[in-house]
Amino acid sequence: AQSVTQLDSHVSVSEGTPVLLRCNYSSSYSPSLFWYVQHPNKGLQLLLKYTSAATLVKGINGFEAEFKKSETSFHLTKPSAHMSDAAEYFCVVSPPGNAGNMLTFGGGTRLMVKP
Amino acid sequence: EPEVTQTPSHQVTQMGQEVILRCVPISNHLYFYWYRQILGQKVEFLVSFYNNEISEKSEIFDDQFSVERPDGSNFTLKIRSTKLEDSAMYFCASSVGQGGYGYTFGSGTRLTVV
Repeated sequence: AQSVTQLDSHVSVSEGTPVLLRCNYSSSYSPSLFWYVQHPNKGLQLLLKYTSAATLVKGINGFEAEFKKSETSFHLTKPSAHMSDAAEYFCVVSPPGNAGNMLTFGGGTRLMVKP
Repeated sequence: EPEVTQTPSHQVTQMGQEVILRCVPISNHLYFYWYRQILGQKVEFLVSFYNNEISEKSEIFDDQFSVERPDGSNFTLKIRSTKLEDSAMYFCASSVGQGGYGYTFGSGTRLTVV
């Protein structure tokens, strides 16, 4: 069984300040972890993925996430927020390798960026 | 960049009617999926489809739902006898392989049952 908890439903930052979106997971195996972003009226876009290689994962648009097994966390960060980063962000877990295809989503974090 | 295309973007239907949501996955992808997101709730897995049959399905995916790949390019979700609680955003996705790798999602169909 697997589950994902996003600790904040809303995060508000000022443009140019750092972003931290928190995610904790629970899994009975070593999972694959993902962050997706959804802009209004758009599909779900993959930001980055962790698949048991490097624990620090770099994604698109300057986002990074660090896999910490001891803390069962996969927090998403960005050094400097941009207005275009305002969107809904989803932390997602899936079974590793060929163990299955089902993605389990967290509840989402809405990021607001103030000018 | 290849896209997963979903039609229609919005669908309004009366309770009890049948609806068909359509998706065109990426052409060289082998695995196809439907997810849904009820307003204010999590995105939930419905079903995965591979080699012309369902490979996994969730508890949500009961006899009211069915999927089909009728012509080698389209992938459809049929919902029979719709209920108010079927109102949601439905996302189609496809992937090359298993394990969550390389998923591409469509932009969704917003279904409203009235």
